[in-house]
Amino acid sequence: QQQVKQSPQSLIVQKGGISIINCAYENTAFDYFPWYQQFPGKGPALLIAIRPDVSEKKEGRFTISFNKSAKQFSLHIMDSQPGDSATYFCAASIDGNDMRFGAGTRLTVKP
Amino acid sequence: KAGVTQTPRYLIKTRGQQVTLSCSPISGHRSVSWYQQTPGQGLQFLFEYFSETQRNKGNFPGRFSGRQFSNSRSEMNVSTLELGDSALYLCASSRGSLADTDTQYFGPGTRLTVL
Repeated sequence: QQQVKQSPQSLIVQKGGISIINCAYENTAFDYFPWYQQFPGKGPALLIAIRPDVSEKKEGRFTISFNKSAKQFSLHIMDSQPGDSATYFCAASIDGNDMRFGAGTRLTVKP
Repeated sequence: KAGVTQTPRYLIKTRGQQVTLSCSPISGHRSVSWYQQTPGQGLQFLFEYFSETQRNKGNFPGRFSGRQFSNSRSEMNVSTLELGDSALYLCASSRGSLADTDTQYFGPGTRLTVL
């Protein structure tokens, strides 16, 4: 069932540092790779997403790096802030359907 | 624009009972997807409805079912509840166009506890 493997399980970063979360997938048919951010007591919220035809996508402090040959993608959070402390999920799907999620990474940014 | 709403927010049931959860999507959104979130299994896709038809289905037993109404509101039903069904059930809506720019918006979830 697990088709998307996410690491690390938890991450502690100092304020201003770079947070890096990695995901690997198995199904080469996946063509949509979103990242979600979830705060306690809230539903996930789409952060940024990428298609496999590009190797990198940047939105503000958030960057997705995508390596199609390695079947890996990662989220980089630059200048991490305490407000970024949340659980992050990577996901993969075919055309946005039947989304498969990673297990999640609990990020803590220390002030 | 109002967000995705889910009712009820919290629910306690006993084994063997059935439960119905409701989701109202963002106005104009025609796709509604349901997810189960548990500490052990994480986020898992249940099914997606678009224009009153189930368009995609995850790997869950037939006890889990859903439907969508003409106004795009959706309900999810779980019959013969088991302890393992205790979870946060999330609903997400989107325009359903399957385009790259079509964003899914999640509701706050319904916390189901099965005793």
